[in-house]
Amino acid sequence: DSGVTQTPKHLITATGQRVTLRCSPRSGDLSVYWYQQSLDQGLQFLIQYYNGEERAKGNILERFSAQQFPDLHSELNLSSLELGDSALYFCASGEKYQDTQYFGPGTRLTVL
Amino acid sequence: AQSVAQPEDQVNVAEGNPLTVKCTYSVSGNPYLFWYVQYPNRGLQFLLKYITGDNLVKGSYGFEAEFNKSQTSFHLKKPSALVSDSALYFCAVRFATSGGYNKLIFGAGTRLAVHP
Repeated sequence: DSGVTQTPKHLITATGQRVTLRCSPRSGDLSVYWYQQSLDQGLQFLIQYYNGEERAKGNILERFSAQQFPDLHSELNLSSLELGDSALYFCASGEKYQDTQYFGPGTRLTVL
Repeated sequence: AQSVAQPEDQVNVAEGNPLTVKCTYSVSGNPYLFWYVQYPNRGLQFLLKYITGDNLVKGSYGFEAEFNKSQTSFHLKKPSALVSDSALYFCAVRFATSGGYNKLIFGAGTRLAVHP
């Protein structure tokens, strides 16, 4: 158990809908990272937050957004969902100047 | 540009035999390299990392990795494979953003299958 929690574990929704994925980092970690894992794209970095502020962006679509709250949990919002958004979404946390990221168990999103 | 490559989609090995999962990288500056393992329906678990120092890095579950600067490689190894080692293995390289924060770039992954 990495100490990173993600909810829900599974999410099934329809095209055009909006969903919110939640992540709680390890105790003491200020950085949160979001990744998307799909069969054809592999593991793709989406976005990073540190202590509430966005710090780095990767291959994140404009339909997706994220935020990190004062209690350090983070939410990833996915809107106008398409079939191709079906994937595993992982959250990871880490310390600012440390390099290791610790991953949560993921949320499996299925868009029908 | 920072990148990492895992040239093998799948590696098959018999239980008890040594295993190697290959990784090569391209990075400017000193490389910070990582191995993660993903079991079915689970998140990625950190195995080991190379930052500096000894080229042979020891990690969890009996795994080790050898850093080779001249060959820009960071191969994952284990002297004696177990069936329970069967999983998806990811190599990653650290990429430092302009703000001084770190993000990881992952390889495509290598599926390790250990046969009894």
